Amino acid sequence: NAGVTQTPKFQVLKTGQSMTLQCAQDMNHNSMYWYRQDPGMGLRLIYYSASEGTTDKGEVPNGYNVSRLNKREFSLRLESAAPSQTSVYFCATTGSLGSYNEQFFGPGTRLTVL
Amino acid sequence: GIQVEQSPPDLILQEGANSTLRCNFSDSVNNLQWFHQNPWGQLINLFYIPSGTKQNGRLSATTVATERYSLLYISSSQTTDSGVYFCAVGLGGTASKLTFGTGTRLQVTL
Repeated sequence: NAGVTQTPKFQVLKTGQSMTLQCAQDMNHNSMYWYRQDPGMGLRLIYYSASEGTTDKGEVPNGYNVSRLNKREFSLRLESAAPSQTSVYFCATTGSLGSYNEQFFGPGTRLTVL
Repeated sequence: GIQVEQSPPDLILQEGANSTLRCNFSDSVNNLQWFHQNPWGQLINLFYIPSGTKQNGRLSATTVATERYSLLYISSSQTTDSGVYFCAVGLGGTASKLTFGTGTRLQVTL
């Protein structure tokens, strides 16, 4: 089992460009999350999906959109990238509703916006 | 929202030493997890511990929910323990959203 996978691992964008970060899990988990991590800080929640077909804003959603494509895949889109979005992006998953609350993380995507 | 404070922010240990990391949180929670971020950036779940005590090898954790703190103990530290340790808390429920502290950066030297 691959667990949680993210693509790409690294990306450099110019201001104003768009891109989609992909996340896939083979753990049969219901809930999926997107976080960003900035230097010297903890992780901050951007968006989450409690289950297939639902998405909700987290702490820092501005400038991002998400799509829960199916149970396995949860993508994060930057429509018009800004230097403030330079960060490391992590996808995470959690198991069944009401139980198995441990979160499992992907390897991250390091994004630089010039 | 919930505030999460971790201490100390930085810690340097010699291999073989023991350490205690602390996590204080500002409100009642029913979800608390400890993570280790290794020097390559990978986040590993160490413990899901909303209350009580758990042990896994040289690591153990205790959460006193009524007093709003959790402790992570590392015994006989090894260089592979280096990295950043994060505490994260939440209210559980269907989405299990977590709020992270800013972490304790641990360096274990020979």
